[in-house]
Order: sequence, then structure tokens, then C-alpha cells
Amino acid sequence: GQNIDQPTEMTATEGAIVQINCTYQTSGFNGLFWYQQHAGEAPTFLSYNVLDGLEEKGRFSSFLSRSKGYSYLLLKELQMKDSASYLCAVTDSNYQLIWGAGTKLIIKP
Amino acid sequence: SQTIHQWPATLVQPVGSPLSLECTVEGTSNPNLYWYRQAAGRGLQLLFYSVGIGQISSEVPQNLSASRPQDRQFILSSKKLLLSDSGFYLCAWSAQEISYNEQFFGPGTRLTVL
Repeated sequence: GQNIDQPTEMTATEGAIVQINCTYQTSGFNGLFWYQQHAGEAPTFLSYNVLDGLEEKGRFSSFLSRSKGYSYLLLKELQMKDSASYLCAVTDSNYQLIWGAGTKLIIKP
Repeated sequence: SQTIHQWPATLVQPVGSPLSLECTVEGTSNPNLYWYRQAAGRGLQLLFYSVGIGQISSEVPQNLSASRPQDRQFILSSKKLLLSDSGFYLCAWSAQEISYNEQFFGPGTRLTVL
């Protein structure tokens, strides 16, 4: 079966750094997405990785290791507005997106 | 630019009543279209997807159905709602290029079945 694992919830302090991990077992791999979803709103795109390594975009970075079936999203200089759920999704061999359950990130002042 | 619309934004329906949620996309042609449901505090559950007019794939057997009468219109329906149908319904689209299938979401419909 296809499976994506993320921690259910994480807590971090404003101004700090947090790393949200995602591991996956899918039938094939054609890319990994990270989305941000604020409570009651639709998910919005954050990052895309298809090759191994780190992709940096401002305060957010995403890392991928295809051999380990592993990705992480790194958020730096945390702000209160970063409180949201972060969804990991993998494109499988049929080019279907398989979604993780999401990690709820709570930022404390 | 592309935009995606969903309505209504919120809906409260009694058990056993019918349902019709509509989604339309502007600014793109022949998109892939998706219906998701998200229960409170949970991940996204893919319900239906469509690669073209009249072409619907169902991911989860249930009392819901979907139709795509026009290229950029996707409709989610039910003849009789169940309590378990409550949730946040999201419509999404992606381009037909299969090598990169970023999905863009509509604002969602929050459905409460009483």
C-alpha cells in the first residue's frame, strides 16, 4: 500500500527554527510537494522537490532524499502567522498525488 | 491568471437531503479536476478526479457522485446525505502536463449535516 507519515502535531517558539519530517512508501516517485493550510482555509503550495537535495525559498526550505523515502520542511525565524497545518504529498508512478495527514504546527510567543 | 471558484462557502443540511456543490475554473483549458473531503483535524481524502468532460474516477465508494458537464465545471452531488458526510469539501485543479501536477485549491465548502 501507499503510505505517507508525518508527526501529528509540533510546537515551536516564535523566532526559532522547526523541522517537519515526512517519510513515504509509494508505488513509484515523481515528486514531493509541501503545502500550508491555515485553519478553515484551502491548502496553498509551498515547495516542490523531485531531485535529492535542498530547495530554499526565503524562510522555508525543503529537503529530499529519494533513497531514504524522506523529506523535511524547515521553517526559520518562525512567526505567529506560521501556525498552520503542513501537508506532505507525493506523486506516485501513476502521477496521482498521495497526501499525508498533515502536521499541525503551533507557534508560541 | 487562473482562478477556481466554489460555492456555497458554508452549508447546513438535514440528514437525507440532497446535495449539490459546484466548482468552476477560469483561465485554463482541459484541467484535471479533483474533489477532496477533509474531516476536522484530518488529512485530505480524494473523492473523485476527472481528466476530461464526462470522465470521472471514483476513489472511495460512498453515497456521493460527481459529474463534469463542461470542461471547467465539476459538480459533487448526493441524493441523500448522511451524518458522516459532514466535512470540508475542496475542489482542486491541475494542468494536464503529467510531469508536474501541482494542485490549486478552491476556497472550500464547509458542510454540516444535522
